[in-house]
Amino acid sequence: DIQMTQSPAYLSASVGDSITITCRASQSVSIFLNWYQQKPGKAPKLLIYEASSLFTGVPSRFNGSGSGTEFTLTITRLQPEDFATYYCQQSYDIWTFGQGTRVEI
Amino acid sequence: EVVLVESGGGLVQPGGSLRLSCEASGFKFEDYAMHWVRQVPGKGLEWVAGISWHSRDEGYADSVTGRFTISRDNAVNSLFLQMNSLTTEDTALYYCARDTRDYYDSSGPFDYWGQGTLVTVSS
Repeated sequence: DIQMTQSPAYLSASVGDSITITCRASQSVSIFLNWYQQKPGKAPKLLIYEASSLFTGVPSRFNGSGSGTEFTLTITRLQPEDFATYYCQQSYDIWTFGQGTRVEI
Repeated sequence: EVVLVESGGGLVQPGGSLRLSCEASGFKFEDYAMHWVRQVPGKGLEWVAGISWHSRDEGYADSVTGRFTISRDNAVNSLFLQMNSLTTEDTALYYCARDTRDYYDSSGPFDYWGQGTLVTVSS
């Protein structure tokens, strides 16, 4: 199975900051890398698919990049509603998720 | 509006069985592959099983192969997960999720999720 490793596991930031989360795959997943946001008690929501495509309705302050084994999710001008846990997911070979990055105030 | 509503969770003893359901609305169910994903409370996400639009292709995580069976009934817009030989390690919140594509192994992301149904395996 392809292993996904996210860093950092926790990130403390303030409203208005820009942050970057990294996701590394144990082997190439081409561009089949997706990002989800999950808030406590809620289901995950798709933010970015195929490494850099913004899902419908997702604000443009979310940006994804990368290919192969290294990917990043950048959130510029953090808003209060952005404090959540973020997961990467590879969909190249079955589906595996990273362990999550919790973004806290 | 796409809506997925899971049901069927509950408390079951180790070795027992449970059948989860997911009722879909707001889209043409038969056009999409569907999946089950689980999450131990406070932990990460694990893909469990997926099924293509026509039910002829399905796949499972190694951790559930031989014990779980995914199925769907396009006539009633529903997805199912039959879970047998349950162990305490199957305790989790089970989500139903829609693929963006029609075949489950076509590398699609999951664009809509239900709110989940909790399965607790305990004696």
